[in-house]
Amino acid sequence: EIVMTQSPATLSVSLGDRAALSCRASQSVNSNLAWYQQKPGQAPRLLIYDASTRATGIPARFSGSGSGTEFTLTISGLQSEDFAVYYCQQYSNWPPLTFGGGTKVEVK
Amino acid sequence: QVQLAQSGAEVKKPGASVKVSCKPSGYTFNSYYIHWLRQAPGQGLEWMGIISPSGGSTTYAQKFQDRVTVTKDTSTGTVYMELSGLRSEDTAIYYCARDPKQWLVEGWLDAWGQGTLVTVSS
Repeated sequence: EIVMTQSPATLSVSLGDRAALSCRASQSVNSNLAWYQQKPGQAPRLLIYDASTRATGIPARFSGSGSGTEFTLTISGLQSEDFAVYYCQQYSNWPPLTFGGGTKVEVK
Repeated sequence: QVQLAQSGAEVKKPGASVKVSCKPSGYTFNSYYIHWLRQAPGQGLEWMGIISPSGGSTTYAQKFQDRVTVTKDTSTGTVYMELSGLRSEDTAIYYCARDPKQWLVEGWLDAWGQGTLVTVSS
């Protein structure tokens, strides 16, 4: 099973700042990585797939990069609606599909 | 637009079973795979299994292999997830989610149900 590790667990950011969230895989997942956003009381929402492709309707301030074992989700110019928990997920080697433990982006 | 409507919250006693439904709309039911996942309170996401809405073949996470059954009813366009032998650690929100490509499994999830809270308590 591929283990996904996200860091930091919590990221304190000011409105308008840039946030960089890290995700590491225990073995190479090539570019088979997705990112999701989850707000309290809501289901996760797909942001990025194939490591860097934005899902339909996702603003350009969200970008994904990386391949192999190291990935980054960058949020440029943080807006109030971006404060949430973010999860990475690998789909290179499954079952099972596996997720990172999440990074909470909070107001500084 | 694509929507997945799940059944309502459940409260079960330890040892019982629970069956959660997921009814997709806005696309052709038989064309897309459906996944089941869960999220314990304050915790991350855990994948449980997948079903092909056309042939009904399933694949489960080893952790749940002997306790979970995912089925479909083509006549009603509904997918079901049944979990047996419930214990307190199974208290979680259970989600269904759609795989994005017709007839294929990509492994990422482009649409999610609203979630169903299952509480296991004596």
